[in-house]
Amino acid sequence: QVHLVQSGAEVKRPGASVKISCKASGYIFTSYYMYWVRLARGQGLEWMGRVNPSGAARSYAEKFQGRITLTRDPSTKTDYMELTNLRSEDTAIYYCARGSSGSTNNWFDPWGQGTLVTVSS
Amino acid sequence: QSVLTQPPSVSGAPGQRVTISCTGSTSNIGAGIDVHWYQHLPGTAPKLLIYGNDNRPSGVPDRFSGSKSGTSASLAITGLQTEDEANYYCQSYDDNLSTWVFGGGTKLTVL
Repeated sequence: QVHLVQSGAEVKRPGASVKISCKASGYIFTSYYMYWVRLARGQGLEWMGRVNPSGAARSYAEKFQGRITLTRDPSTKTDYMELTNLRSEDTAIYYCARGSSGSTNNWFDPWGQGTLVTVSS
Repeated sequence: QSVLTQPPSVSGAPGQRVTISCTGSTSNIGAGIDVHWYQHLPGTAPKLLIYGNDNRPSGVPDRFSGSKSGTSASLAITGLQTEDEANYYCQSYDDNLSTWVFGGGTKLTVL
């Protein structure tokens, strides 16, 4: 069974960084893209970035360029999302989601359970 | 402001049919790019409901169906059940923005 398990909730000060993990199981890790999406209170889902199956290529939403880094460790089948220079507007639930492909017609399935990041002074 | 527009809320009585619209533009849905739908219960992982405009993953009841026409798409739910109460999101890709985009979400209330 395909499964994504994310790391636990985080509380951070403004200006700090957060690194969230997403451990995959039940499929060939290096055959699929991983995408990251967040859901802020009162907002809709927002795509943040993706990493390709080998981990050699990443693309990021323009909004997060310069603050986000996606990495993956095939040996542990784990993806990571690091977001730096956190501000209160980054308070949100962050999800990893496996992509069906790398094409623009790609859908996300499954999703991780989500990681709540709270940014507060 | 989401790139794809959904009604904030819809409601219906058990057994009824409801539809949720997802309106885009010529740079996403209207460009022939597929639309996908997710069901999200707060505190849980979003669940894929419809992929490729009108395809149901295994395990999704046939009460759920999707369609697409022009720059819009729709999710229909027939035979409403209380467990259908959730937030529903549409998703596509925008050629101009070069990003995957979502609707703002629609909260379904089963009266």
